[in-house]
Amino acid sequence: DAGITQSPRHKVTETGTPVTLRCHQTENHRYMYWYRQDPGHGLRLIHYSYGVKDTDKGEVSDGYSVSRSKTEDFLLTLESATSSQTSVYFCAIMTGEGSTDTQYFGPGTRLTVL
Amino acid sequence: GIQVEQSPPDLILQEGANSTLRCNFSDSVNNLQWFHQNPWGQLINLFYIPSGTKQNGRLSATTVATERYSLLYISSSQTTDSGVYFCAVEGEDNFNKFYFGSGTKLNVKP
Repeated sequence: DAGITQSPRHKVTETGTPVTLRCHQTENHRYMYWYRQDPGHGLRLIHYSYGVKDTDKGEVSDGYSVSRSKTEDFLLTLESATSSQTSVYFCAIMTGEGSTDTQYFGPGTRLTVL
Repeated sequence: GIQVEQSPPDLILQEGANSTLRCNFSDSVNNLQWFHQNPWGQLINLFYIPSGTKQNGRLSATTVATERYSLLYISSSQTTDSGVYFCAVEGEDNFNKFYFGSGTKLNVKP
């Protein structure tokens, strides 16, 4: 499972509150990703990181921010949660750099915004 | 971004049957991967296959990059193969940005 954990695993919150999800890896991989999964959409990339303090936006980044102050941790923050951000959030790492890059996923966080 | 289409969206098989899942993509790719999401939600990497053919047990995959499609073959299906199969691609012009198809939901009946 490439040593990826996510916390919390489940969260219920109210509209307008800030929420931070944590992804932790134990193998010092350079690349980390945050995705959301919604019915009918597969997975969509929110943000990714290519090193400490190096991040970039993905396909659906509006309303989300990220931080990576240590190699092992990648945080996703919803500054003011909205009901449209109710989703399952997956973190992933990528092994290898170059011709054999492969993504491995954490167990997911189910977020409900009321 | 790159468009990824998977077919069929749903598939029901009797245990022991074979199946072929397809992934079409709209542009040249650096990276293509197949994943299985089991009924408990866990995503498992099956293949890294930007081109060529690979086999792993009852599963095999082929990507024809010049024609922009990939196929995942499941032979002698088992109930444990049930779940959703996703294709994900990284376009040549969008380094490190992966785009997923909507998946094929497979139900293998005993």
